[in-house]
Amino acid sequence: DGGITQSPKYLFRKEGQNVTLSCEQNLNHDAMYWYRQDPGQGLRLIYYSQIVNDFQKGDIAEGYSVSREKKESFPLTVTSAQKNPTAFYLCASMTSGGSSYNEQFFGPGTRLTVL
Amino acid sequence: SQQGEEDPQALSIQEGENATMNCSYKTSINNLQWYRQNSGRGLVHLILIRSNEREKHSGRLRVTLDTSKKSSSLLITASRAADTASYFCATDLNRDDKIIFGKGTRLHILP
Repeated sequence: DGGITQSPKYLFRKEGQNVTLSCEQNLNHDAMYWYRQDPGQGLRLIYYSQIVNDFQKGDIAEGYSVSREKKESFPLTVTSAQKNPTAFYLCASMTSGGSSYNEQFFGPGTRLTVL
Repeated sequence: SQQGEEDPQALSIQEGENATMNCSYKTSINNLQWYRQNSGRGLVHLILIRSNEREKHSGRLRVTLDTSKKSSSLLITASRAADTASYFCATDLNRDDKIIFGKGTRLHILP
């Protein structure tokens, strides 16, 4: 059963804590993405990776970090430096060949709430 | 960096009617995609239209692209309750495999 999974579905964080959101895909996709979505808003790109061991900052990378040690996995860490982390986080992946011809596949999302 | 902007922001129609959503963008694109998001879920890809295409169909969906006006429209015919969702356009600028999403149109189908 191919797809992209995110865990946990809900996550609560105390002020000053780092938390890591998991994203795994078994679609054999090269590119993976992390987006942030605030209520009533579109998606804003945090980080993306086109290949293992390489990643680039998106539009709102401050306060976040990522790693891409395996093709299947692209975890996102929300650090204490992120001042307003409460949001819905979406992970996506895409096959190689570029976005000219391909769609992005999305996970179900993680809702992060800061207490 | 906002590229696409959907219009209207929200739309309510009766079941069975057609729903039309528009997307305007600012710079030249390689392609434009439409996605659907049910509440609290991830996005699902609906259709991709390339810059050299003018119209594309998929089931009850019809997408048009006018590159001279930098705009696209998504038409859903014979709407159903299950079509209630947010719809996003996403533009591909052919830079580094990134696409840029608009803020979406919230569609509500009334029974």
